Amino acid sequence: AQKITQTQPGMFVQEKEAVTLDCTYDTSDPSYGLFWYKQPSSGEMIFLIYQGSYDQQNATEGRYSLNFQKARKSANLVISASQLGDSAMYFCAMRGNSGGGADGLTFGKGTHLIIQP
Amino acid sequence: KAGVTQTPRYLIKTRGQQVTLSCSPISGHRSVSWYQQTPGQGLQFLFEYFSETQRNKGNFPGRFSGRQFSNSRSEMNVSTLELGDSALYLCASSSSGQGAGSGANVLTFGAGSRLTVL
Repeated sequence: AQKITQTQPGMFVQEKEAVTLDCTYDTSDPSYGLFWYKQPSSGEMIFLIYQGSYDQQNATEGRYSLNFQKARKSANLVISASQLGDSAMYFCAMRGNSGGGADGLTFGKGTHLIIQP
Repeated sequence: KAGVTQTPRYLIKTRGQQVTLSCSPISGHRSVSWYQQTPGQGLQFLFEYFSETQRNKGNFPGRFSGRQFSNSRSEMNVSTLELGDSALYLCASSSSGQGAGSGANVLTFGAGSRLTVL
């Protein structure tokens, strides 16, 4: 079974500071993908960044980067120069691959990030 | 291009009724999956369809069912509604769904259908 752990239920950060959201995972699948999604109060899940288990380099997407440490089974999201619009719930998720078809995403409980001016 | 469209956005039902939710994926996406989000259980995978076939299923009772049409649009149905079925139901689409290590596996979510069961 796959498991995602996000240990920070809530975080307050000053605008323009960098933010690190923690995520650890557990899986026995040799191949898997790790994802971060943002969910504003409107409810829609917005894809931020993806890291494949065999990717050699850490993923980056604009102000988002993923600090992937495979041996430690961690996939922390780093947001540089935070903005007020970054206030939202952030979910770490993973997807294994069993029997030829991709599994559903397994989500963590999320981190509620609040950016203060 | 248009995103994932879910209808209705909000609905209220009473216990024992049934409900059908609809999802139109991004054009060209053949994989559609459904998730339930509740404050207590968080986000949980319901099922995934690819080319009209259910390819994967989460741990939900048989009251939860779904289907996918030839145009990739999908519906999910919940019969004999219970209070605990109150949730945000999210639909997501992807181009292939194959290969966990592939970037093509990125799911694009709709805005969700918020179901309240009274």
